[in-house]
Amino acid sequence: DAGVTQSPTHLIKTRGQQVTLRCSPKSGHDTVSWYQQALGQGPQFIFQYYEEEERQRGNFPDRFSGHQFPNYSSELNVNALLLGDSALYLCASSLGQGPNTIYFGEGSWLTVV
Amino acid sequence: GENVEQHPSTLSVQEGDSAVIKCTYSDSASNYFPWYKQELGKRPQLIIDIRSNVGEKKDQRIAVTLNKTAKHFSLHITETQPEDSAVYFCAALSNSGYALNFGKGTSLLVTP
Repeated sequence: DAGVTQSPTHLIKTRGQQVTLRCSPKSGHDTVSWYQQALGQGPQFIFQYYEEEERQRGNFPDRFSGHQFPNYSSELNVNALLLGDSALYLCASSLGQGPNTIYFGEGSWLTVV
Repeated sequence: GENVEQHPSTLSVQEGDSAVIKCTYSDSASNYFPWYKQELGKRPQLIIDIRSNVGEKKDQRIAVTLNKTAKHFSLHITETQPEDSAVYFCAALSNSGYALNFGKGTSLLVTP
């Protein structure tokens, strides 16, 4: 039973560049959420995708966008990177809506220089 | 929106002692409260969760209690071991059912 998988695990980008992060949810899960975790902080909700649509967005600018594919995998795109975007980006998967167990992937460490 | 406060921010205990971490939440509609353990450089790992229809849940040395009236929930770790050392996060599911709102974390150190 595959867990939540993310790629790449580490990457370094320059200010102003764009980045795409990828996630495959846990087998049997259909909902993908993205979180940003800055060093020393708790994860912050970016947005959630279900049935290929963005269902809810947290307090993040439009530079952050995403997509969900028919196989439930998802991408997170960040445009015009800022130094402050340096963080661990976590993908979380769950089944449907409501109080269902949420599992996190290992994350993608993004450093913006 | 939902606000989750977590205390203490750091906690140091001797091996074998108990550790308690407390969280409060603001949205009375929240109905799911997971706890995650995060080791340095790794992902948050779910260790226990509780739903609003129960007041307490145990899993071996770990227990969580929920007081919906007071809007607070707590993590209890008994017989602590050095490998319990990590950052622990509480979270509450927002009333929309979509977003987890996390506390700021508790850095637990268990000394032999």
